Amino acid sequence: SAVISQKPSRDICQRGTSLTIQCQVDSQVTMMFWYRQQPGQSLTLIATANQGSEATYESGFVIDKFPISRPNLTFSTLTVSNMSPEDSSIYLCSVTLVAGLGEQYFGPGTRLTVT
Amino acid sequence: QQQVKQSPQSLIVQKGGISIINCAYENTAFDYFPWYQQFPGKGPALLIAIRPDVSEKKEGRFTISFNKSAKQFSLHIMDSQPGDSATYFCAASMGIQTGANNLFFGTGTRLTVIP
Repeated sequence: SAVISQKPSRDICQRGTSLTIQCQVDSQVTMMFWYRQQPGQSLTLIATANQGSEATYESGFVIDKFPISRPNLTFSTLTVSNMSPEDSSIYLCSVTLVAGLGEQYFGPGTRLTVT
Repeated sequence: QQQVKQSPQSLIVQKGGISIINCAYENTAFDYFPWYQQFPGKGPALLIAIRPDVSEKKEGRFTISFNKSAKQFSLHIMDSQPGDSATYFCAASMGIQTGANNLFFGTGTRLTVIP
């Protein structure tokens, strides 16, 4: 597996502001993903973070709202823009490892509350 | 549309008993079926996974049973312990065929093991 860290671990933000979440991995990874998990709910894929190119977004998620960067193989950021209370969720990054068989490992998550 | 259906929503088992969680899918392109365990405030942890070329996989007290014709798979936790109390998610992806490793998650099962 790999050690995946996310910053911040939690935050409380005002409506209309933006928050950038960082994901750092200690191993070489092939793919990085961003998921959203609303309280007590399942996980929904937001986008696949592609190194050196634009992220691939799932239906219902757009780049203007959730811009993603991945400047290298082990680091990615997700920004939640112009936040509203509906954006209150846990945001999780996940990775598949170069040395693995496609298994996907998750970070600890960032708990976001928008007031 | 929920691509992976999971039941039951919650499960209470006595210590030492067997916990069984079931999942069903429709998309025959899925070729990778992991189970995740999530404790409150933590990211999901990969527990065990199976590919459709085998009908069963066992790791310690955890067993996946896979029925390709019925498009169903299940997680069995033998000798359930209070420390197993967590939320369990099944998932599916079509990574082997398409290289797209994004996971489609079930709705989760909250397991409580009573001492």
